[in-house]
Amino acid sequence: GAGVSQSPSNKVTEKGKDVELRCDPISGHTALYWYRQSLGQGLEFLIYFQGNSAPDKSGLPSDRFSAERTGGSVSTLTIQRTQQEDSAVYLCASSQDGVSGDTQYFGPGTRLTVL
Amino acid sequence: RKEVEQDPGPFNVPEGATVAFNCTYSNSASQSFFWYRQDCRKEPKLLMSVYSSGNEDGRFTAQLNRASQYISLLIRDSKLSDSATYLCVVIFSGSARQLTFGSGTQLTVLP
Repeated sequence: GAGVSQSPSNKVTEKGKDVELRCDPISGHTALYWYRQSLGQGLEFLIYFQGNSAPDKSGLPSDRFSAERTGGSVSTLTIQRTQQEDSAVYLCASSQDGVSGDTQYFGPGTRLTVL
Repeated sequence: RKEVEQDPGPFNVPEGATVAFNCTYSNSASQSFFWYRQDCRKEPKLLMSVYSSGNEDGRFTAQLNRASQYISLLIRDSKLSDSATYLCVVIFSGSARQLTFGSGTQLTVLP
């Protein structure tokens, strides 16, 4: 079946602009995660959605970052007033129900470059 | 100090060699442990989960030592296709299932 998909695959933007990144999880997966991977920081957690529960936003680096998940499926990560340090690969993952031992499956990522 | 630490390498080994990667984690209240593999410019993919009893999957063996807070991955009879970055991953208790990644160990298997 289809895996996690993300769009766009690449995004180049100017400093100060807003960007939206999209994630389509595997059908039927209730848990959805956003991570980012940058040269200096490696892979780091951003936010986690589980079903209809309030999301865990503990990894968001600043209030310029927000995410939503509509209808328990598609998620959008929004970065407002982008800065050069936001340049990274943004990875989305989903898992069946977010319980212990669940495998997280990653999408191909969106490579964001802020000029 | 990072929560999950790995030797970044690079490890350059000939085909057929045995190579071992190590990883330490800082929080003893840790729940789940994994090795992920990431190819260049690709997403991470689960290689194997790691259990206290140790587990093996073909040429790959993973070990967990909770007392020492140490995880290892052994690759036997390495193949060219094993060339990748190997990520040590921990889910810490109370962390809402988020994965905490080590910085990765780069492996290149040479012909």
